[in-house]
Amino acid sequence: EVQLVESGGGLVQPGRSLRLSCTASGFTFGDYAMSWVRQAPGKGLEWVGFIRSKPYGGTTEYAASVKGRFTISRDDSKSIAFLQMNSLKTEDTAVYYCTRAAYYDSSGEWYFDYWGQGTLVTVSS
Amino acid sequence: QSVLTQPPSVSGAPGQRVTISCTGSSSNIGAGYDVHWYQQLPGTAPKLLIYGNSNRPSGVPDRFSGSKSDTSASLAITGLQAEDEADYYCQSYDSSLSGSVFGGGTKLTVL
Repeated sequence: EVQLVESGGGLVQPGRSLRLSCTASGFTFGDYAMSWVRQAPGKGLEWVGFIRSKPYGGTTEYAASVKGRFTISRDDSKSIAFLQMNSLKTEDTAVYYCTRAAYYDSSGEWYFDYWGQGTLVTVSS
Repeated sequence: QSVLTQPPSVSGAPGQRVTISCTGSSSNIGAGYDVHWYQQLPGTAPKLLIYGNSNRPSGVPDRFSGSKSDTSASLAITGLQAEDEADYYCQSYDSSLSGSVFGGGTKLTVL
């Protein structure tokens, strides 16, 4: 059974940093792309970023709203994906979901086939 | 303002059929990228409902179906049940943004 468990959320002041972790099990982690999606309180879903698997270069993509501030990485030996969030803003307050991404190599697109339960990040002074 | 446009809400009585539209543009759905649908039950994480425009993951009832045409896509739910009451989101890829985009979400109410 595929499981994704996020951790690391909490209350942080504007301008500070936070690192989220996503521990995966139930599948061969290194074979899959991973992605983060967030949901502000009472709002819809917003894609945050994506990391390809190592066979596809392990490269990353980011939404414009977080590019230059957020970094996604992965440790395939431990089946963990990370979201490093720097220079946090109040508008980054959201539940952050870790997702497994099904990647189309032919077109470069992807979708999210499994989701974690989410971890809440609150950015406030 | 979401890149993909969905109606904020739809409703239907038990047993009825409802559809949810998802309208995009030439840089996403109209460019040939697939549309995927997610169901978010109250207080829970989203779950993949339809992938690749019209495919159902294992375990999703065949009451749910998806279609795509030109710059839009639709999710149809037949034989509405009370447990279908949820938020539904469409998602695709946008070449001008080089990333995934979601619709704003549609709240389905079962009357």
